[in-house]
Amino acid sequence: RKEVEQDPGPFNVPEGATVAFNCTYSNSASQSFFWYRQDCRKEPKLLMSVYSSGNEDGRFTAQLNRASQYISLLIRDSKLSDSATYLCVVTNAGNMLTFGGGTRLMVKP
Amino acid sequence: EPEVTQTPSHQVTQMGQEVILRCVPISNHLYFYWYRQILGQKVEFLVSFYNNEISEKSEIFDDQFSVERPDGSNFTLKIRSTKLEDSAMYFCASSEVMRGSTDTQYFGPGTRLTVL
Repeated sequence: RKEVEQDPGPFNVPEGATVAFNCTYSNSASQSFFWYRQDCRKEPKLLMSVYSSGNEDGRFTAQLNRASQYISLLIRDSKLSDSATYLCVVTNAGNMLTFGGGTRLMVKP
Repeated sequence: EPEVTQTPSHQVTQMGQEVILRCVPISNHLYFYWYRQILGQKVEFLVSFYNNEISEKSEIFDDQFSVERPDGSNFTLKIRSTKLEDSAMYFCASSEVMRGSTDTQYFGPGTRLTVL
């Protein structure tokens, strides 16, 4: 079983749509959780950390369900500039980031 | 805004040759990392480095790999005898705080290594 699993997509959505991505992780001892964004042939960039209480940053909302080992990302009012690959990332005991394979989002006009 | 820088942006080498990839982490950061991403695959952890020694490494980071902080600013990854399967994008990252805290890792733009 992969440590961090994501639907690779692509998710093709029109501008203004709401889109949700999910991620599951296998290690129940995982400690920190993140969503990163990666544009084609570029470096991963932190989008947001994910907390058990849920957190929101503008149009982006992240949720963590530790019991189900499940992380979600909701993007409201999608923009063309949101087109990218979204990476679900966890850490375990150390600082090593464990990446999922990413979910590709394409926002169309 | 401070950022991680990496050189070169693209390195082409012959199989069996040694390569050194260079990184300049953000100046007040204490932890340094190397990750790699083979084309079309996920980002994979290689090694983390703190206080002039390796703190964690993955199974990928075998004897052909080494890391060094030769001076106060550079952090290098050396691959001693490159193989075709070493072709990948290599990302350097750095973070400010220590283990157990919310330690955001900031990534450099990457070095694309092509082994022929």
